[in-house]
Amino acid sequence: AQTVTQSQPEMSVQEAETVTLSCTYDTSENNYYLFWYKQPPSRQMILVIRQEAYKQQNATENRFSVNFQKAAKSFSLKISDSQLGDTAMYFCAFMKHGVGSGGSNYKLTFGKGTLLTVNP
Amino acid sequence: DTGVSQNPRHKITKRGQNVTFRCDPISEHNRLYWYRQTLGQGPEFLTYFQNEAQLEKSRLLSDRFSAERPKGSFSTLEIQRTEQGDSAMYLCASRPGLAGGVEQFFGPGTRLTVL
Repeated sequence: AQTVTQSQPEMSVQEAETVTLSCTYDTSENNYYLFWYKQPPSRQMILVIRQEAYKQQNATENRFSVNFQKAAKSFSLKISDSQLGDTAMYFCAFMKHGVGSGGSNYKLTFGKGTLLTVNP
Repeated sequence: DTGVSQNPRHKITKRGQNVTFRCDPISEHNRLYWYRQTLGQGPEFLTYFQNEAQLEKSRLLSDRFSAERPKGSFSTLEIQRTEQGDSAMYLCASRPGLAGGVEQFFGPGTRLTVL
């Protein structure tokens, strides 16, 4: 079974600064996806960024980027130029590739989350 | 709004009562997932549907839980004889077939409080 660990329950950052959220995972699989999801207060979860394990290049989406270290099983999220609207719970999630009994049906395994507060 | 919708958004019930939640996925999505999120935890997988077929159930889904997706569109999650430990946020997510990508789109959730 896969496990996802987020070691920072809470973090805070000043508006316009950069912050990095940590995530490690444990798996014996070679083909998988990693995600960062954002859950704002009382609002639904939305995808921030996705990384496919077979891709060596780190994913980037505007102010969000990841540092994917496959050998170390590490997947951190960097948020640049933090904005007040970035205040949310951030979840790291793992998805094994494949369907059926040998696969995962593409279900997500989440970490416990990191509560990020962006201060004005 | 063409996102995933869930009803009700909040449900308060007394221990021992039955409750049912509904999820309406994005219309062209034939894959549907239910997750449960307790306070201070990340969501945990409960069950998965491909069209109307329930293809996987977590060990978290006890005999008191049942999920259906009768016509491959909306889904319901029923909890019988609720217990205080069932208090949680129940999240629904949907996605298209693999050709459409693996990203799951989440609904706003149903928050259940069992008194």
